[in-house]
Amino acid sequence: NAGVTQTPKFRVLKTGQSMTLLCAQDMNHEYMYWYRQDPGMGLRLIHYSVGEGTTAKGEVPDGYNVSRLKKQNFLLGLESAAPSQTSVYFCASSYASSGANVLTFGAGSRLTVL
Amino acid sequence: DQQVKQNSPSLSVQEGRISILNCDYTNSMFDYFLWYKKYPAEGPTFLISISSIKDKNEDGRFTVFLNKSAKHLSLHIVPSQPGDSAVYFCAARPNFGNEKLTFGTGTRLTIIP
Repeated sequence: NAGVTQTPKFRVLKTGQSMTLLCAQDMNHEYMYWYRQDPGMGLRLIHYSVGEGTTAKGEVPDGYNVSRLKKQNFLLGLESAAPSQTSVYFCASSYASSGANVLTFGAGSRLTVL
Repeated sequence: DQQVKQNSPSLSVQEGRISILNCDYTNSMFDYFLWYKKYPAEGPTFLISISSIKDKNEDGRFTVFLNKSAKHLSLHIVPSQPGDSAVYFCAARPNFGNEKLTFGTGTRLTIIP
């Protein structure tokens, strides 16, 4: 059982280039999320999805787009990368339920924008 | 506007002693509180949670205490083991909106053998 898988694990971009991070989960979770982690900032929510075909903005959505065409996949796109988007990106998923709603995270994707 | 605060960026504790990690929050609408643990080059993993209707939840060596009036929660690890060395994130969310999980900035715990 793979859980949440992120690809690629590492990527270096030049300013202005575009790229897509892929997240796949095999737990049949309804909810999926993209977070970024920066030093001293903790984990901040970029975008999330509450089901196939839906997306919504989180705390820091500017400069990113997402798509959830299939329930198991959640893509994060950078159309024109900026050095401020240098970060570690984490995808997560969870069941659509009340209560603690525990998130399962992927191992992260480290992105450097030069 | 940091709604969940972990004021200690790092903490060192002797093996076998108690580790106490603290977390403060400002949003009175938070209803559930979670602790995640993160090792280098891995994603965060869920550790323990507590609902606002409780003041304590225990799971083996890990206990979380919640003081709603002070808007403060703490994670106790007893006894501390070398494998507990990691970054610990406190997180909170309101009762509505499952997606609204807000994380603190994390505390790096180092257990000294």
